[in-house]
Amino acid sequence: EVQLLESGGGLVQPGGSLRLSCAASGFSFSNFAMSWVRQAPGKGLEWVSPIGSSGGGTFYADSVKGRFTVSRDNSKNTLYLEMNSLRVEDTAVYYCAKEGTSYYAEHWGQGTLVTVSA
Amino acid sequence: EIVMTQFPATLSVSPGERATLSCRASQSINSFLAWYQQKPGQAPRLLMYAVSTRATGIPARFSGSGFGTEFTLTISSLQSEDFAVYYCQQYSLWPRTFGQGTKVEIK
Repeated sequence: EVQLLESGGGLVQPGGSLRLSCAASGFSFSNFAMSWVRQAPGKGLEWVSPIGSSGGGTFYADSVKGRFTVSRDNSKNTLYLEMNSLRVEDTAVYYCAKEGTSYYAEHWGQGTLVTVSA
Repeated sequence: EIVMTQFPATLSVSPGERATLSCRASQSINSFLAWYQQKPGQAPRLLMYAVSTRATGIPARFSGSGFGTEFTLTISSLQSEDFAVYYCQQYSLWPRTFGQGTKVEIK
């Protein structure tokens, strides 16, 4: 069974930093692209950043470009999202997702809440 | 950026009835379309990809159709567990974009 467990969320002040982690199990992690998708409170979904199976093929939403960095450690079956210069508008639940045979999210974690507030 | 527009925003349906949800892309996305279901307090769940391929474990009452810019998700006979918000998502081009969602509520 595919399991994705996010951690690292919390309350941070504007301008601060956080690193999210996503521990994956139940599948061959190194063979699949992964992504981060976020959802602001009461709002819709925004695809933040995908990363290819070997760590290449990274893209970023314009809203986070230059501030967020996606990475992965295939030896630890873990996906990361380094978030710097956080803004109030980055407040959201951040989901880790395993991609399918194409660029859709086949499996989702339960999400971790990031709150950016003074 | 490809804009995905879903309609209606809210659909009121009685259990056992048919529900038809629409999704329109601002430019052609061929068949690069997925549908997700999200219930309150839960993560989204993949229902459909490549327009009409059901994800693992998705019942046959869910079906998808369309090509290019116009797409439809049909739930043939709504069950109590189907009342949720549904999102379409294009994966033709980066950035991958979602529609704003259609809430299916009990009539």
